[in-house]
Amino acid sequence: NAGVTQTPKFQVLKTGQSMTLQCAQDMNHEYMSWYRQDPGMGLRLIHYSVGAGITDQGEVPNGYNVSRSTTEDFPLRLLSAAPSQTSVYFCAVVIRGGNEQFFGPGTRLTVL
Amino acid sequence: KQEVTQIPAALSVPEGENLVLNCSFTDSAIYNLQWFRQDPGKGLTSLLLIQSSQREQTSGRLNASLDKSSGRSTLYIAASQPGDSATYLCAVFSNDYKLSFGAGTTVTVRA
Repeated sequence: NAGVTQTPKFQVLKTGQSMTLQCAQDMNHEYMSWYRQDPGMGLRLIHYSVGAGITDQGEVPNGYNVSRSTTEDFPLRLLSAAPSQTSVYFCAVVIRGGNEQFFGPGTRLTVL
Repeated sequence: KQEVTQIPAALSVPEGENLVLNCSFTDSAIYNLQWFRQDPGKGLTSLLLIQSSQREQTSGRLNASLDKSSGRSTLYIAASQPGDSATYLCAVFSNDYKLSFGAGTTVTVRA
């Protein structure tokens, strides 16, 4: 998995609560991204970063914030969770050179 | 906006038959195309990566082709086995640094 770790593996939130999904990598990859996967809709890009200090929006950014203060970490923040954010969240890195993407193991989030 | 489509959505074949999975995309300005496998409740495993300048890639029983001008890729799996049962995802990495996924093809190989 190219050294990509995600925590937690599972999380249950109540509507309105906030939380941060963690993504970390130890191989100095510059490009990191967050996706959500919903049944029948495939994976959709939330936010991505091409390097420390640089972030940009993907296809479904509303309700999510990100920051990239270091190369190693790319946390995804839900400021006020909603049931529509119930999903499986994947973090990915792009391997320099071939631009191959590798994914972390995922976080399964349920918002009640 | 890149749109990626995978047909069929589901496929069931007897063991030993060859599998053909199709992927199409709307914008040919891409860096590469990647095929993934996903087992139920699990993460994504990269199977094959085809750079935009390449026509095909092979790994064991898997072969993927890319026709960038027509916006198509095909994944062939030879002599299918029950262990090949999974969902196969096609993803296109575009020149705007965004990865777009198809909805996937769910494959069942019957013993």
